[in-house]
Amino acid sequence: DAKTTQPNSMESNEEEPVHLPCNHSTISGTDYIHWYRQLPSQGPEYVIHGLTSNVNNRMASLAIAEDRKSSTLILHRATLRDAAVYYCIRVGNSNYQLIWGAGTKLIIKP
Amino acid sequence: SQTIHQWPATLVQPVGSPLSLECTVEGTSNPNLYWYRQAAGRGLQLLFYSVGIGQISSEVPQNLSASRPQDRQFILSSKKLLLSDSGFYLCAWSTGGPTQYFGPGTRLTVL
Repeated sequence: DAKTTQPNSMESNEEEPVHLPCNHSTISGTDYIHWYRQLPSQGPEYVIHGLTSNVNNRMASLAIAEDRKSSTLILHRATLRDAAVYYCIRVGNSNYQLIWGAGTKLIIKP
Repeated sequence: SQTIHQWPATLVQPVGSPLSLECTVEGTSNPNLYWYRQAAGRGLQLLFYSVGIGQISSEVPQNLSASRPQDRQFILSSKKLLLSDSGFYLCAWSTGGPTQYFGPGTRLTVL
């Protein structure tokens, strides 16, 4: 099963860090972990991806467990504009197939 | 820079009517193109993908079809819409790698 497991929803306060977990216990050694987010009534937006080591970009950081069975997307200082559904996706050898779960709905409280 | 356009943004159609949704990409050549559908509160379901003009792969048997008449144009069609075709339709492109870039989507309501 190529799907990942994420909590249905999470809440966080504005200007605080947010840690979004994802379990992918059956991941293979060559599968990348990708994160996308989808703001209300918009198309998904790429956030970050990684394979084994932790990754940082201007939007977020991605921490991948040593055994690669889980990962965490980190938003260092959440704003109201970060309220969205966040999807964790395994990407295997076929680059055409992104298997989308229901994601985590992130609610930011002012 | 690359941009992706979809139209219309919203559409209300009666059951049994035809459908044509268009997607165009600017600023890149020979992109991979994708059509997805998203039901309310759910993740995305891949419907079709294309690696070149006239090359279409279908992921899910259904009432829909896709065509790619030009390098950067992708069209989703139906001859007769069903109630179950309602949803949020998203077009995306990629350079062949796993990262995909999405359009703004079309919200289709079939009555």
